Amino acid sequence: RKEVEQDPGPFNVPEGATVAFNCTYSNSASQSFFWYRQDCRKEPKLLMSVYSSGNEDGRFTAQLNRASQYISLLIRDSKLSDSATYLCVVARVNAGNMLTFGGGTRLMVKP
Amino acid sequence: DTGVSQNPRHKITKRGQNVTFRCDPISEHNRLYWYRQTLGQGPEFLTYFQNEAQLEKSRLLSDRFSAERPKGSFSTLEIQRTEQGDSAMYLCASSLGGGGSYNEQFFGPGTRLTVL
Repeated sequence: RKEVEQDPGPFNVPEGATVAFNCTYSNSASQSFFWYRQDCRKEPKLLMSVYSSGNEDGRFTAQLNRASQYISLLIRDSKLSDSATYLCVVARVNAGNMLTFGGGTRLMVKP
Repeated sequence: DTGVSQNPRHKITKRGQNVTFRCDPISEHNRLYWYRQTLGQGPEFLTYFQNEAQLEKSRLLSDRFSAERPKGSFSTLEIQRTEQGDSAMYLCASSLGGGGSYNEQFFGPGTRLTVL
């Protein structure tokens, strides 16, 4: 079983739709949580950090449930430019902050 | 451009050959990470350095792989006797390190290796 699990998709949604991605992680020692975005044939880039209290950045909302070891990302009012692969990522500060990535969820936003 | 740079961007080689990749981190970053990403998968951690010290190696890093960061600045990743299963994107990332909290890792554009 992978340490970070995501539905690979693809999620095909129309512009303006709201879409939600989920991921689960198995290592309860994980301390930091993130969503990264990766465009085709490009490097991953940090989208946002994820906290138990939830955090919002414009159209993006992320949430962490430590008890269930579950992380979510909500994208509202999808844009064509949101089409990408979204990677769920966990890290342990006392393990050199090495990142453990999920397999990614592919999103395609269509006109 | 003051981001992380990697060279070469693409490498095609024949099975059995040795290859070496280079990563130049953001100049003030003392931590440097190597990851490998195969098609349809997320990146997987290979190894990391704090300054010139290699502090962690994944079990994915077989004896054919070696990484160095001799002066605590750029790093090289060498693969000896390449196999077709080594075909992947090799990503380098750098960050500030220590302090007991997470510091964002910034990724380079990667080196895409194809082993024929």
